[in-house]
Amino acid sequence: DTGVSQNPRHKITKRGQNVTFRCDPISEHNRLYWYRQTLGQGPEFLTYFQNEAQLEKSRLLSDRFSAERPKGSFSTLEIQRTEQGDSAMYLCASSSWAGQHEQYFGPGTRLTVT
Amino acid sequence: DQQVKQNSPSLSVQEGRISILNCDYTNSMFDYFLWYKKYPAEGPTFLISISSIKDKNEDGRFTVFLNKSAKHLSLHIVPSQPGDSAVYFCAALQETSGSRLTFGEGTQLTVNP
Repeated sequence: DTGVSQNPRHKITKRGQNVTFRCDPISEHNRLYWYRQTLGQGPEFLTYFQNEAQLEKSRLLSDRFSAERPKGSFSTLEIQRTEQGDSAMYLCASSSWAGQHEQYFGPGTRLTVT
Repeated sequence: DQQVKQNSPSLSVQEGRISILNCDYTNSMFDYFLWYKKYPAEGPTFLISISSIKDKNEDGRFTVFLNKSAKHLSLHIVPSQPGDSAVYFCAALQETSGSRLTFGEGTQLTVNP
């Protein structure tokens, strides 16, 4: 068990560019979550998948954001036409059906939009 | 609306003493409460959780207390160690509203040797 991994760890992009982040959950976990954290705040929920189905999306997830989990394993989060306000830490977490209230987080991807 | 609040941004204690981190919530429908620890440049690490039907859960040096009538929970760390220095987040989950965790703002704990 290697834990939740995220790539890249850091991303600097110019405003207006598209970016994509990847998350690999713990292998036996069928639930995968995306959160966003800004400085001085706790993580805020963005969306979650059970297997390949996206079951819930936050109002924070504007139409510039899209997430996929095509085969129920890894997931990608894409931000189109990035804005400076998108600068944040993007965290991925996973959980199993049995222990659904315990979510295990990856190290995050730090996005800076210049 | 901030449904989970941690009103103390920071806490400093001496090594060996007790650390008490507090959390208040407004949503009486929350089913589980969790505490996470976060070091800089790392993701949050799960510490301990408690179901809303219990009032105490203990795991080694960590104990979480839940007072439903006051909508308040606390994390006790005894004895505190310098390696416990981190940001601690309280989080809550309502099963009927999906699996999202709602987090507080965090408390920076510093344990001085």
